[in-house]
Amino acid sequence: EVQLLESGGGLVQPGGSLRLSCAASGFTFSSYAMSWVRQAPGKGLEWVSAISGSGGSTYYADSVKGRFTISRDNSKNTLYLQMNSLRAEDTAVYYCASSRPYIAAAGTLAFDIWGQGTMVTVSS
Amino acid sequence: EIVLTQSPGTLSLSPGERATLSCRASQSVSSSYLAWYQQKPGQAPRLLIYGASSRATGIPDRFSGSGSGTDFTLTISRLEPEDFAVYYCQQYGSSTGYTFGQGTKLEIK
Repeated sequence: EVQLLESGGGLVQPGGSLRLSCAASGFTFSSYAMSWVRQAPGKGLEWVSAISGSGGSTYYADSVKGRFTISRDNSKNTLYLQMNSLRAEDTAVYYCASSRPYIAAAGTLAFDIWGQGTMVTVSS
Repeated sequence: EIVLTQSPGTLSLSPGERATLSCRASQSVSSSYLAWYQQKPGQAPRLLIYGASSRATGIPDRFSGSGSGTDFTLTISRLEPEDFAVYYCQQYGSSTGYTFGQGTKLEIK
């Protein structure tokens, strides 16, 4: 069964740092591009960052560029999000997400694999 | 930056009725990169439609997507009790990454 499991969320002060992890199972992790998507309490979805299967290409939303770093360890089937200089507006549930091969084969980009999310609260 | 505007913000309907949800883009987007998601409280989003009109694996055929250019529509032909949720459209752009609409809440009338 394809599964993503996030961890590492918690309460952090403004200006602090946190590292999120996403453990993948049930598929060939290194073959899949991965993304982080967040959702502030009571708000909509916001894409945060993406990384290619090899880890050689990374992409960021303007709102986190220069503060967040996405990475992966394919030997451990794990995706990471290093979050620095955290702000109150970064408070959200953070999901890792990806796509099964049939999505890419259709020449499109959409997320059909999601984790359960991990909550990050930035507050003093 | 492409902005996706969903309407209405809230849609009140009864089970058995037809639901039509709209997603309008601030500039033309590729149909290949337009998707729809369903999200229920406390759950992760679920992909319903990709490529504007293709149903994701396991999605019932009462869900359908259509549209092109700047106007896209998600239609639920006959609402079931489990369909009441929040729906998001999403597009991908090579320069901006993924963008989501603000969501439409489908509630029971």
